[in-house]
Amino acid sequence: SQKIEQNSEALNIQEGKTATLTCNYTNYSPAYLQWYRQDPGRGPVFLLLIRENEKEKRKERLKVTFDTTLKQSLFHITASQPADSATYLCALDTGNAGNMLTFGGGTRLMVKP
Amino acid sequence: EAQVTQNPRYLITVTGKKLTVTCSQNMNHEYMSWYRQDPGLGLRQIYYSMNVEVTDKGDVPEGYKVSRKEKRNFPLILESPSPNQTSLYFCASSNRDQETQYFGPGTRLLVL
Repeated sequence: SQKIEQNSEALNIQEGKTATLTCNYTNYSPAYLQWYRQDPGRGPVFLLLIRENEKEKRKERLKVTFDTTLKQSLFHITASQPADSATYLCALDTGNAGNMLTFGGGTRLMVKP
Repeated sequence: EAQVTQNPRYLITVTGKKLTVTCSQNMNHEYMSWYRQDPGLGLRQIYYSMNVEVTDKGDVPEGYKVSRKEKRNFPLILESPSPNQTSLYFCASSNRDQETQYFGPGTRLLVL
């Protein structure tokens, strides 16, 4: 079956460290992958998009990698801060015409001061 | 301010009583979609629309209807709500390439 898996358990790290979140998928060949941030009770907020022909993308303290051979994306937050505490969702383009986005279950990140 | 709005934000209703959740965007986006979010199941797409009068089913369309008569609006209709439709609902919109989806604030629905 087609699946998108993210660490279901919360990730706890110390302020200042680098947080690394994983998104693994099977049976998809997405043209792109996206990462979103979601705070409790609020809608997801887009962070980054990486295409299948891109290995890495950066935006300020965020870095995303995309390995289509391993079918995996890694999401890094460097110099993490308590304000980075949230749930992070990955999403894949899964439609035949690029018309569907399928989300992973999300990983909750807790950054402790 | 660019935004997606949903109404109502909270709704308690009873089984079988038809309801509509409205969604509106002010970014002139072609693409709009509805998701539901449930604990342990994540975000699942209900319906999406590529443009006016063009709609299609997502992963979990049963029990829902949508319409897209205007570009800015994409209402979600529950003709006969059931308790298993109790959930947190999000509307989203994006431009044609769908590279960035903007989500609304969510509608929390409880069906008794």
